[in-house]
Amino acid sequence: DADVTQTPRNRITKTGKRIMLECSQTKGHDRMYWYRQDPGLGLRLIYYSFDVKDINKGEISDGYSVSRQAQAKFSLSLESAIPNQTALYFCATQPRGGNQPQHFGDGTRLSIL
Amino acid sequence: GQNIDQPTEMTATEGAIVQINCTYQTSGFNGLFWYQQHAGEAPTFLSYNVLDGLEEKGRFSSFLSRSKGYSYLLLKELQMKDSASYLCAVTNYNQGGKLIFGQGTELSVKP
Repeated sequence: DADVTQTPRNRITKTGKRIMLECSQTKGHDRMYWYRQDPGLGLRLIYYSFDVKDINKGEISDGYSVSRQAQAKFSLSLESAIPNQTALYFCATQPRGGNQPQHFGDGTRLSIL
Repeated sequence: GQNIDQPTEMTATEGAIVQINCTYQTSGFNGLFWYQQHAGEAPTFLSYNVLDGLEEKGRFSSFLSRSKGYSYLLLKELQMKDSASYLCAVTNYNQGGKLIFGQGTELSVKP
């Protein structure tokens, strides 16, 4: 079983719809991140959380919101999807303390028509 | 501000050696990571450098020069499966563990 699980893996939806992407982890890591990846633009940070009561904006948070329901779960919502939010979305986890690598889920491919 | 530069694309031959460079500008540098990402898949961790010098892991090595703001990833005995994007990412003391990623270098290995 994957340590960092993202659902759904693929989603096609229409402009204006509300969408939730889910991430759950069994690694016991405190820190969780949401990124989007677009061709030629690399990975860009949307939101991150260092523990259950901590939510922080990344470099491109507009149009997104998150919820950290438990240590193991971090959800990303698009309240009213628009076509330029079409991208590959990754969730990542990281242990607390020191410089630890981040561990990525398999990604959610989101298409907004 | 922070800035990370990598070549966009590189091509190499199976069995050869390739070096992928990464230059960065950041205050309070606190480490540099290399990740490998196959098309449509998750990035996977390759290496971490925080002190100057070379770190070797099998066919892959990573080098860091903090004074020059420079790192490279060296891949030896290239295999077709090494065709992937290679991402350089830095962290600094002000970021609390967050990573800032470069755009990635797309490596194509040809027979």
